Amino acid sequence: QKEVEQNSGPLSVPEGAIASLNCTYSDRGSQSFFWYRQYSGKSPELIMFIYSNGDKEDGRFTAQLNKASQYVSLLIRDSQPSDSATYLCAVNTLGSARQLTFGSGTQLTVLP
Amino acid sequence: KAGVTQTPRYLIKTRGQQVTLSCSPISGHRSVSWYQQTPGQGLQFLFEYFSETQRNKGNFPGRFSGRQFSNSRSEMNVSTLELGDSALYLCASNRGGEKETQYFGPGTRLLVL
Repeated sequence: QKEVEQNSGPLSVPEGAIASLNCTYSDRGSQSFFWYRQYSGKSPELIMFIYSNGDKEDGRFTAQLNKASQYVSLLIRDSQPSDSATYLCAVNTLGSARQLTFGSGTQLTVLP
Repeated sequence: KAGVTQTPRYLIKTRGQQVTLSCSPISGHRSVSWYQQTPGQGLQFLFEYFSETQRNKGNFPGRFSGRQFSNSRSEMNVSTLELGDSALYLCASNRGGEKETQYFGPGTRLLVL
């Protein structure tokens, strides 16, 4: 079983819709959870991090964490074509956020 | 505040050669992590340095090594290059404290022929 699993997609949503990206992890000791966005040919860009159960909102992005279910998600409201990218879920390893385990990423396409 | 810088951005080498990649973290960040990204394996952790000491190491062969200098700049070295070492090598600058966070540099794209 992979340590961090994401639906590889591709996921397509129409412009203005809500995009929902999901991630599960296997290490119950994980404390830090991150979402990175990666455009083709570019490096990952941090868009959200969450440490506590519940929701965390930042602009059009909402991260949701459920440690009991070992589940973290990212919602993108009012999706724009510029949101089209691969979204990587990352979880800290061995108690340190300096060593992250990444999922394989979900490719999102927002259709104009 | 300047971001993470990595040099060179692109590199072509042949099998058997060695390569050194450089990374300068965000000013004030003392920890640097390195990752390898390939289409097949995704993003994988190589190692992490803090105050010139390697603190964590991923599951890579000994051909992959690194170091960190007193100004927090870091280098990674790959000796005896293999075709499978072709990848995007990413350096992450680590913000410490209660809520540690990693910020990635632009990466070095290495092609081994």
